Amino acid sequence: DVKVTQSSRYLVKRTGEKVFLECVQDMDHENMFWYRQDPGLGLRLIYFSYDVKMKEKGDIPEGYSVSREKKERFSLILESASTNQTSMYLCASSQPRGTDTQYFGPGTRLTVL
Amino acid sequence: GQQLNQSPQSMFIQEGEDVSMNCTSSSIFNTWLWYKQDPGEGPVLLIALYKAGELTSNGRLTAQFGITRKDSFLNISASIPSDVGIYFCAGRTYPFGNEKLTFGTGTRLTIIP
Repeated sequence: DVKVTQSSRYLVKRTGEKVFLECVQDMDHENMFWYRQDPGLGLRLIYFSYDVKMKEKGDIPEGYSVSREKKERFSLILESASTNQTSMYLCASSQPRGTDTQYFGPGTRLTVL
Repeated sequence: GQQLNQSPQSMFIQEGEDVSMNCTSSSIFNTWLWYKQDPGEGPVLLIALYKAGELTSNGRLTAQFGITRKDSFLNISASIPSDVGIYFCAGRTYPFGNEKLTFGTGTRLTIIP
């Protein structure tokens, strides 16, 4: 059974804190993605990675960075959290070369106070 | 980045009713996907469409790839309580193999007892 896990389901941080969101997949997938989900805006792509140590900006990368040191792990970093980064964060992974299914984790609901 | 507009934004229906929702884009997509997100979970792929005009079914779900390639439709027949959730469309443009997806704004389906 395929699995994408995220380190926390709920997280509360203060403005200015450095925040790490971790995602691990056990499917040996090469592609990994970070999205944020906000009501009325759907899922918006923050960053994605096609391979270890590779990363590409998505549609809304400002205020975020990522790290992919191992194939199975993709981390999203908020260098200095702000209240407008309060959101649901979803991680996904997929096979390369045209496979359509992105497998999603359960999400991390981050609140920045 | 581009976004897909879904409508309606929310639906309140009674069990047994049929449901229709659609997704429109200002640009052409070559693949259309429909995902469902159950409460507290990540989205799961329901149906994938690859050709303009294509009509594909998955149980009580039927989706269509619009002729113009700028829209897609999802119908659910005889709704049941487990249909509750948020439905997202997603599109992918060329080149094939580019794994980036653009997601819609979502349609929240609620079944009234």
